[in-house]
Amino acid sequence: DAKTTQPNSMESNEEEPVHLPCNHSTISGTDYIHWYRQLPSQGPEYVIHGLTSNVNNRMASLAIAEDRKSSTLILHRATLRDAAVYYCIRGGGNNRKLIWGLGTSLAVNP
Amino acid sequence: EAQVTQNPRYLITVTGKKLTVTCSQNMNHEYMSWYRQDPGLGLRQIYYSMNVEVTDKGDVPEGYKVSRKEKRNFPLILESPSPNQTSLYFCASSFGSNTQYFGPGTRLTVL
Repeated sequence: DAKTTQPNSMESNEEEPVHLPCNHSTISGTDYIHWYRQLPSQGPEYVIHGLTSNVNNRMASLAIAEDRKSSTLILHRATLRDAAVYYCIRGGGNNRKLIWGLGTSLAVNP
Repeated sequence: EAQVTQNPRYLITVTGKKLTVTCSQNMNHEYMSWYRQDPGLGLRQIYYSMNVEVTDKGDVPEGYKVSRKEKRNFPLILESPSPNQTSLYFCASSFGSNTQYFGPGTRLTVL
């Protein structure tokens, strides 16, 4: 199956780091790894993406395994506003189709 | 303000009555895409467009048509809607297929 695999749900406490895993064992060499999140009643929102190297931006960090078969989205300090469904997606680049998984629903406890 | 707009936001219609959901972006993006979101199935891509007059099928194109006559607009057309097309629809745009910006969604009910 070309889809990514993520845990259905995860829970975190406010101000603690969160590591969201994703498996993409059939990823091709030109596929990027994207992460989006979707807050309740909103459209998905871009978080981060990468190809081979780890990436950092103001929202999160993306750690990509050396064999590229898995990746981890890292939220350094979870806030209540980070409660959302997080999607790990493969594709883009030369493969224009983006293949979405079912996402991980993240709950953040105060 | 940079944005993707969709209209209508909510629509209830009947089987077989042709409808169009409009999508417009003001960011001069080449790439635009339509998705549907269903419980338990996640987001599935319907069609995408790399640029004006260039469109291609996504994962679930059956029952849908699109057109890209100008860069900013990418309407989704349902020629003969059926109840299995009841869903939440999202339009997105980007430079290339990275960093997509999504619209607010259109909730469609086909009776």
